[in-house]
Amino acid sequence: GENVEQHPSTLSVQEGDSAVIKCTYSDSASNYFPWYKQELGKGPQLIIDIRSNVGEKKDQRIAVTLNKTAKHFSLHITETQPEDSAVYFCAASIRTGANNLFFGTGTRLTVIP
Amino acid sequence: EAQVTQNPRYLITVTGKKLTVTCSQNMNHEYMSWYRQDPGLGLRQIYYSMNVEVTDKGDVPEGYKVSRKEKRNFPLILESPSPNQTSLYFCASSFYRGPSNYGYTFGSGTRLTVV
Repeated sequence: GENVEQHPSTLSVQEGDSAVIKCTYSDSASNYFPWYKQELGKGPQLIIDIRSNVGEKKDQRIAVTLNKTAKHFSLHITETQPEDSAVYFCAASIRTGANNLFFGTGTRLTVIP
Repeated sequence: EAQVTQNPRYLITVTGKKLTVTCSQNMNHEYMSWYRQDPGLGLRQIYYSMNVEVTDKGDVPEGYKVSRKEKRNFPLILESPSPNQTSLYFCASSFYRGPSNYGYTFGSGTRLTVV
């Protein structure tokens, strides 16, 4: 099956700085790459996703980039705020069959006020 | 409010005592799934169901059972829990074409401790 690696496992940034989280995947057939944010005591929530036919997608302060040749994708958060503090998970999936998501191991982001 | 409801939120049990964690969704989703979350391992899929009476194994199904008799409910059953099943469990649901087309809605989690 798919293997998704995520780095770093922890990340601390000053408020207002940018944060970048990187993931690699193993299965070249994967074509859907979502990012989930998990706040303390809650379940993960989808924040942005990208499909293999585009290289970049932005939504306000959040952007995701995809390099299919290198099989890696990244989450970029600009102008970080304390409420961005959470655990972030990347995932990969093949959009046929069972459609299962394979998750990375998570990154705990702390934004220091 | 559209949501996935898991019960209980916290559970401490003893080795070998059968337990059930319930999951219910009110969004008419066909696709439901159970994950466990462990430090350093992320979210690993236990079982999933693409519709009523259709279930299949995920990556870590050993020691677990599920059933899908109704569309809204997807209980997770531990017939004989062991300490290595101590974990944080999440139920999730999605529309019929699955989470790679519509994304998941997750429940708030069940923290299980087996002593």
